[in-house]
Amino acid sequence: DVKVTQSSRYLVKRTGEKVFLECVQDMDHENMFWYRQDPGLGLRLIYFSYDVKMKEKGDIPEGYSVSREKKERFSLILESASTNQTSMYLCASSDGLAGSYNEQFFGPGTRLTVL
Amino acid sequence: RKEVEQDPGPFNVPEGATVAFNCTYSNSASQSFFWYRQDCRKEPKLLMSVYSSGNEDGRFTAQLNRASQYISLLIRDSKLSDSATYLCVVSSTSGTYKYIFGTGTRLKVLA
Repeated sequence: DVKVTQSSRYLVKRTGEKVFLECVQDMDHENMFWYRQDPGLGLRLIYFSYDVKMKEKGDIPEGYSVSREKKERFSLILESASTNQTSMYLCASSDGLAGSYNEQFFGPGTRLTVL
Repeated sequence: RKEVEQDPGPFNVPEGATVAFNCTYSNSASQSFFWYRQDCRKEPKLLMSVYSSGNEDGRFTAQLNRASQYISLLIRDSKLSDSATYLCVVSSTSGTYKYIFGTGTRLKVLA
């Protein structure tokens, strides 16, 4: 059974803290994605990676950075957490190219609250 | 204008009803289309891909209309377990690996 796992289901941090969200996939997928999901705004792409050490900005990269040192692991970093980064964070992976019919597999999500 | 637009609903329908959702997209270069299902407090999961010829999977039928730039999802004989949010997803080969998600249409099937 294919699986994408995220390091935490719930996380509470304070403003200004550095936050690490980890995502691991066991499907040997090339592509990995970080989204945030907010009511009324849907899923918005923060960053994605199509290969080890490669990364591309998504639609809302400000305040975030990513790291992909190994194919199976994609980390999202909030350099200095702010209250407007309180959200549900979803990691996903897929094979092949966007534009082709490749399914995205999602992790269970991390609900981050920044106080 | 959003790249992918959906009616947020909720659509409240009785069990056994037929319900249809539409989703419009703005990028005529879009290449692939999907419907994902998301249950409350869960991650999205692929329901079905939407091909140019349309496709059917049991009670679910998806259609693509490239001329008018919309996709549709039809659910026949609704079950209580169909209650969820349905996300429209569009992807393009604009040189990036991007999937664009609609905000979702919420369906509630009532007993």
